[in-house]
Amino acid sequence: DIQMTQSPSSLSASVGDRVTITCRASQSISSYLNWYQQKPGKAPKLLIYAASSLQSGVPSRFSGSGSGTDFTLTISSLQPEDFATYYCQQSYSTPVFTFGPGTKVDIK
Amino acid sequence: QLQLQESGPGLVKPSETLSLTCTVSGGSISSSSYYWGWIRQPPGKGLEWIGSIYYSGSTYYNPSLKSRVTISVDTSKNQFSLKLSSVTAADTAVYYCARPAWLGDYYYMDVWGKGTTVTVSS
Repeated sequence: DIQMTQSPSSLSASVGDRVTITCRASQSISSYLNWYQQKPGKAPKLLIYAASSLQSGVPSRFSGSGSGTDFTLTISSLQPEDFATYYCQQSYSTPVFTFGPGTKVDIK
Repeated sequence: QLQLQESGPGLVKPSETLSLTCTVSGGSISSSSYYWGWIRQPPGKGLEWIGSIYYSGSTYYNPSLKSRVTISVDTSKNQFSLKLSSVTAADTAVYYCARPAWLGDYYYMDVWGKGTTVTVSS
């Protein structure tokens, strides 16, 4: 089974900061990596698919990179509405999916 | 626009079977080559994929839950369902249904239900 890890588990940042979240897979998953944003009491929202493709309607300050086992989600300039928890998910073994444990981004 | 809506009891007794349904609107559950999935999130914890079903009925389950999970599809009602047997307090969670879309070989969950809270308690 493919295991996913994320770092950090939480971070504090200010509006305007550049934020980077890392996701690592236990084996190579090529570019089969998605990123989701979840706000309290809400369903997750797809941000990035195929490691670096921006989902329609998602602001361009969000970007994804990486391939193989190491991936990064970057928020270029953190906005108030970006405070949330972010999850990576592998789709290499579709239809078996695995989520990372999440990274909570809160206000410094 | 495709929408998903979970429904089912909000309270289930320990050792009983949890049963949820996801109703698909704005599209047919069998009109395209899609998978349909269930994900859950215990209070204060992360997301856990439970399982997926192909529109044709083929199923795929999380190995950690496989012995207790059944996912089925009812194309006549445009619904798919989740059954989780022998529940314990550890199965208390928000349960989401979702549709993994695809582009080439890449799958991603672009449509989610709002989620339904299930509490396991006597």
